[in-house]
Amino acid sequence: DTVLTQSPALAVSPGERVTISCRASESVSTLMHWYQQKPGQQPKLLIYLASNLESGVPARFSGSGSGTDFTLTIDPVEADDTATYYCQQSWNDPLTFGSGTKLEIK
Amino acid sequence: EVQLVESGGGLVQPGSSLKVSCVASGFTFSSYVMHWFRQAPENGIEWLAYINTDSSSTHYAETVKGRFTISRDNAKNTVDMQLSSLRSEDTAMYFCAREKYYYDGTFDYWGQGVMVTVSS
Repeated sequence: DTVLTQSPALAVSPGERVTISCRASESVSTLMHWYQQKPGQQPKLLIYLASNLESGVPARFSGSGSGTDFTLTIDPVEADDTATYYCQQSWNDPLTFGSGTKLEIK
Repeated sequence: EVQLVESGGGLVQPGSSLKVSCVASGFTFSSYVMHWFRQAPENGIEWLAYINTDSSSTHYAETVKGRFTISRDNAKNTVDMQLSSLRSEDTAMYFCAREKYYYDGTFDYWGQGVMVTVSS
């Protein structure tokens, strides 16, 4: 299975720029997607196909990357962005998710 | 408004069976591939299975193949997952989700989840 590696946690202050990384154990082309999950809620799609902003998601969120290295950027960060962020690939079978990056807003 | 609502969770004993269901509304259900996922407490998200639009194709994760069965009823706008031979490690929140575009592996709507606890 394709393993997606994310940093476990980050802490930033409101107004700052934060980058969350995801590294795949093998190429996933650009079939990488990003989700936000708040406690007790379902995942919410933010970015699909590496860099496409999902409808209704603020333009503060952006994604980039291809192959094995991907980044989700939030700029500027707001207090409401406190959540766990997951990357997910759909190039290789089975679909797999990263273990999540917990973002704390100081 | 697109909505996915799961039901059917609960506390069951190891070795038993349970069916979780997901009813969809607000979109043309028969046009979308549907998936099930789960998330164990304090853990990440695991993909479990998908079913295509007319039920002619299903696919499972190795961890549940042979124990879980996905099905759908386009007339009722429902997608179900029959869970059998349950183990303690199947304890998790179970989510259904809609695939955004046909087989692109992106999930734009998720249900709120239903909890399944396997314990004696």
